Amino acid sequence: AQSVTQPDIHITVSEGASLELRCNYSYGATPYLFWYVQSPGQGLQLLLKYFSGDTLVQGIKGFEAEFKRSQSSFNLRKPSVHWSDAAEYFCAVGSSGGGADGLTFGKGTHLIIQP
Amino acid sequence: GAGVSQSPSNKVTEKGKDVELRCDPISGHTALYWYRQSLGQGLEFLIYFQGNSAPDKSGLPSDRFSAERTGGSVSTLTIQRTQQEDSAVYLCASSSPGSRGNQPQHFGDGTRLSIL
Repeated sequence: AQSVTQPDIHITVSEGASLELRCNYSYGATPYLFWYVQSPGQGLQLLLKYFSGDTLVQGIKGFEAEFKRSQSSFNLRKPSVHWSDAAEYFCAVGSSGGGADGLTFGKGTHLIIQP
Repeated sequence: GAGVSQSPSNKVTEKGKDVELRCDPISGHTALYWYRQSLGQGLEFLIYFQGNSAPDKSGLPSDRFSAERTGGSVSTLTIQRTQQEDSAVYLCASSSPGSRGNQPQHFGDGTRLSIL
């Protein structure tokens, strides 16, 4: 069965500093990987996705993520965070066998931005 | 609107009552998903529709839960005889047609269900 681990429940970063959120996955084949962001009272917004090809993917709002097969990781990065980036971030893996399995999500990382 | 629409946004009901949650997907999206988000369990996948068909209902938490989709569009998630452990945010997502599970899912804002 596939699984996703986000080791950090909370992360606090100063505004303007760089950010890296960790994500490790377990999946038997080449995974489909996603990062979503959720603000309070809102649904999940897709930041970026990896299906194949270039292992460094660019997303919205200045985010990027790098797929490392050898480490089973898909870490999310941003060079300089803004106060509006404070939110809950979820890493997810999708099955290449079709959509019927849905997405498997990590527990999320709560990002706090210090002024 | 262009996004996934869910209603109601909030629902408070008494234990034992039935509730119906509605999801209106993005136009043209044939795949539709229901998830449950709770503090203890995180985000759990419940059920998937391709068109009007749900090939696997094993993700539904109990036989009190049912879901249907008609006309390849709107879906309803029904919870009968609600229990306090059903309190959660229920999220719906849809995605465009794809031969495999590589189409990104677009989420609605969810229905926050509180069972008193």
